[in-house]
Amino acid sequence: IQLTQSPSSLSASVGDRVTITCRASQGISSYLAWYQQKPGKALKLLIYGASTLQSGVASRFSGSGSGIDFTLTINSLQPEDFATYYCQQLNSYPITFGQGTRLEIK
Amino acid sequence: EVQLLEFGGGLVQPGGSQRISCTASGFIFSNYAMNWFRQAPGKGLEWVSAIAGGSDNTKYTYYADSVRGRFTISRDNSKNTLFLQMISLRDDDTAVYYCAKRGSFGSASYYSFDYWGQGSLVTVSS
Repeated sequence: IQLTQSPSSLSASVGDRVTITCRASQGISSYLAWYQQKPGKALKLLIYGASTLQSGVASRFSGSGSGIDFTLTINSLQPEDFATYYCQQLNSYPITFGQGTRLEIK
Repeated sequence: EVQLLEFGGGLVQPGGSQRISCTASGFIFSNYAMNWFRQAPGKGLEWVSAIAGGSDNTKYTYYADSVRGRFTISRDNSKNTLFLQMISLRDDDTAVYYCAKRGSFGSASYYSFDYWGQGSLVTVSS
């Protein structure tokens, strides 16, 4: 199952709202997770089940969608949110990822 | 506190072998499925292999097409350690290798990886 993530990069300012999309090549129900990656740090799970916020993750992060189309929204961007974000499908093996979205400071 | 620490990366020649390991702490290791992922320099994330948790987990292993027949995933629950044995290594196996813990079987979080290690770099080069 291929995941097409967009945009591949995004420039935004602190306080902005941003949305990242992830489209699956076939239906994956809600078996989608979102992760944040920062250089030199372990990946961080943000969202699982397409819309469930992982414990300890800031409430400005939210996810939505099912089937084929999914979104990750970050409300009121904070300085620590500038990172790369990946969607991941776990509907079937092989587990696959979107190509990533690099979120940069404008 | 859950911790995953990878070991064993380094420089290996094409065609060579390497074994990397991941030591887990802070959770009941045997109960959880564990996976390996990798990330080539400047590239995205790629799933590599999975092994089930539970009492007879050695039966259930899965591999990406790119590594099947060359890589073997295993675990030693008595030592809370996950392994990835790699043979016939190629240049395109060069990557940071991450171990990750899958969420609890039977819960919604099963469809996610809630903890990741910081990775171990394997470089395949002559």
